[in-house]
Amino acid sequence: GQNIDQPTEMTATEGAIVQINCTYQTSGFNGLFWYQQHAGEAPTFLSYNVLDGLEEKGRFSSFLSRSKGYSYLLLKELQMKDSASYLCAVSDDNYGQNFVFGPGTRLSVLP
Amino acid sequence: DARVTQTPRHKVTEMGQEVTMRCQPILGHNTVFWYRQTMMQGLELLAYFRNRAPLDDSGMPKDRFSAEMPDATLATLKIQPSEPRDSAVYFCASGLVLTSGGKTGELFFGEGSRLTVL
Repeated sequence: GQNIDQPTEMTATEGAIVQINCTYQTSGFNGLFWYQQHAGEAPTFLSYNVLDGLEEKGRFSSFLSRSKGYSYLLLKELQMKDSASYLCAVSDDNYGQNFVFGPGTRLSVLP
Repeated sequence: DARVTQTPRHKVTEMGQEVTMRCQPILGHNTVFWYRQTMMQGLELLAYFRNRAPLDDSGMPKDRFSAEMPDATLATLKIQPSEPRDSAVYFCASGLVLTSGGKTGELFFGEGSRLTVL
């Protein structure tokens, strides 16, 4: 089966750094994605990791360890607009690369 | 500006009525997904298509839900009869997924169809 886990909620202060973790167990692996979803809106793509290591994109970075089934999303210099849900998704090999989403982490950025 | 288009954006209906949601994927994308999102369940996969062929609909209640892709520009999700527990936001997403090596592209989501069944 497939199982993806994330913390339900996190709170951080404007200007700080926050790390959102994701652990997964899937029958296959073809990449891990992070999405951002503001309340009432559609998820939007943030980052993609298929090899171990860190991918950096401006204030956002994502890390992957395939052997540990673990990823994190790092957000630096937090801004109020970063308050949103962050969804971890795994593309596996079943039926030709399914996309399974984790429950999401709701991040609140406080002034 | 390519985007996934979903209709209707909002739908309020009564229990027992048929509901049809439509999705126009991004041109050139070969994979279309239907997800349902509620506060309790998060994003739940209902069905998906590759090159218009259904690959997996095991997440869908078969007795009342059906998903089709009559052509490359249209995917539909139908609920008949609808029930109050079907109230949720239904998202369609499309992507270009390579099944023989290479990078798997990200999914692009439509704005969603918010369904309320009374």
